Amino acid sequence: GAVVSQHPSWVICKSGTSVKIECRSLDFQATTMFWYRQFPKQSLMLMATSNEGSKATYEQGVEKDKFLINHASLTLSTLTVTSAHPEDSSFYICSLPGGNEQFFGPGTRLTVL
Amino acid sequence: GENVEQHPSTLSVQEGDSAVIKCTYSDSASNYFPWYKQELGKRPQLIIDIRSNVGEKKDQRIAVTLNKTAKHFSLHITETQPEDSAVYFCAASESFQKLVFGTGTRLLVSP
Repeated sequence: GAVVSQHPSWVICKSGTSVKIECRSLDFQATTMFWYRQFPKQSLMLMATSNEGSKATYEQGVEKDKFLINHASLTLSTLTVTSAHPEDSSFYICSLPGGNEQFFGPGTRLTVL
Repeated sequence: GENVEQHPSTLSVQEGDSAVIKCTYSDSASNYFPWYKQELGKRPQLIIDIRSNVGEKKDQRIAVTLNKTAKHFSLHITETQPEDSAVYFCAASESFQKLVFGTGTRLLVSP
């Protein structure tokens, strides 16, 4: 199956700063990647669909100007949390469709102080 | 859009017992139903999945059943072991694309 990495694995930042999370496909070209968010003891919620070479598609209720997604190549999608606040603290996970299943990255734990 | 409900939210069983987790979905266009096991701080791990053209699938101690008419699908774990303890999520998708997850079931298997 596809190997997906995320960087960083964890990050702590101050309120008001921006944080960039990378999702990289190491062995599979992905025209589409998905970004999920998981709050503690909750389920994974789809935030947006990242489309290579075009704009991302955001789910209802997700602010596109706050969560900037760039999918500049077939192997890399980035999620930038702008002006982060404590309520943005969460586990962010990317995935990509590969054949007959989804392949998930290891996740990024974001803590905003 | 799709909505997936999952029950129970917590399930405690004795080692060796069976565990059943149930999900319902709303969108008849969904045709792919995976089940994931997630340990704390880790990514979801696919344990079994089923497509809409199949009613049942089994892999050793794990089985999944699908009732398309009722829009129900269930995970069955037999001969549970302590290492089965984790949070389990069902999900629904159309053609292996974006996943809509259930709310999760915390399974605790006591020795």
